[in-house]
Amino acid sequence: DVKVTQSSRYLVKRTGEKVFLECVQDMDHENMFWYRQDPGLGLRLIYFSYDVKMKEKGDIPEGYSVSREKKERFSLILESASTNQTSMYLCASSTSWTNTGELFFGEGSRLTVL
Amino acid sequence: AQSVSQHNHHVILSEAASLELGCNYSYGGTVNLFWYVQYPGQHLQLLLKYFSGDPLVKGIKGFEAEFIKSKFSFNLRKPSVQWSDTAEYFCAVRLNSGYSTLTFGKGTMLLVSP
Repeated sequence: DVKVTQSSRYLVKRTGEKVFLECVQDMDHENMFWYRQDPGLGLRLIYFSYDVKMKEKGDIPEGYSVSREKKERFSLILESASTNQTSMYLCASSTSWTNTGELFFGEGSRLTVL
Repeated sequence: AQSVSQHNHHVILSEAASLELGCNYSYGGTVNLFWYVQYPGQHLQLLLKYFSGDPLVKGIKGFEAEFIKSKFSFNLRKPSVQWSDTAEYFCAVRLNSGYSTLTFGKGTMLLVSP
């Protein structure tokens, strides 16, 4: 079975803290994605990566950065967390660029910034 | 700008009622279309997809969707809903070209009462 694992299901951080959200997929997928999900706003793409060490900005990259040092791992970094980054963060992966619509999602990481 | 519009944010139905969730998109060019579902407490998963061919596609759990190109629509249907269909449903679209990523609608929360 396909598996996308997000390291933390729930996090509580303080304003200004640096936050790392980790995501690992075990399917040898080329593409990985970070979305945030907010009620009434759906899913919005933060960053994506189509290869190791490659990254591309999504629709809302401000305040975030990413790292992909290994194919299976894609990290989302909040350099200085702010309250408006309180959200559910979803990691996803897909097999290849011709198949980027078929995403496999993790369980999500719910981040609260106080 | 590309966008995906879901007509209803909340839908409440009784068991055995028929379901139709609307989805419209504004894209030029060839598109791939998807419906994703998120059951309470679970991760997002693919319900069905359209890439090409027969515009009426069937997915899991008795769901189907029809692509009407002239109306830029991809509505989701189910003849008879069950309590277990209670979930949030997301329509998603991507251009079938280059490094195009998925754009999601804002979601429709479906509540089925027994």
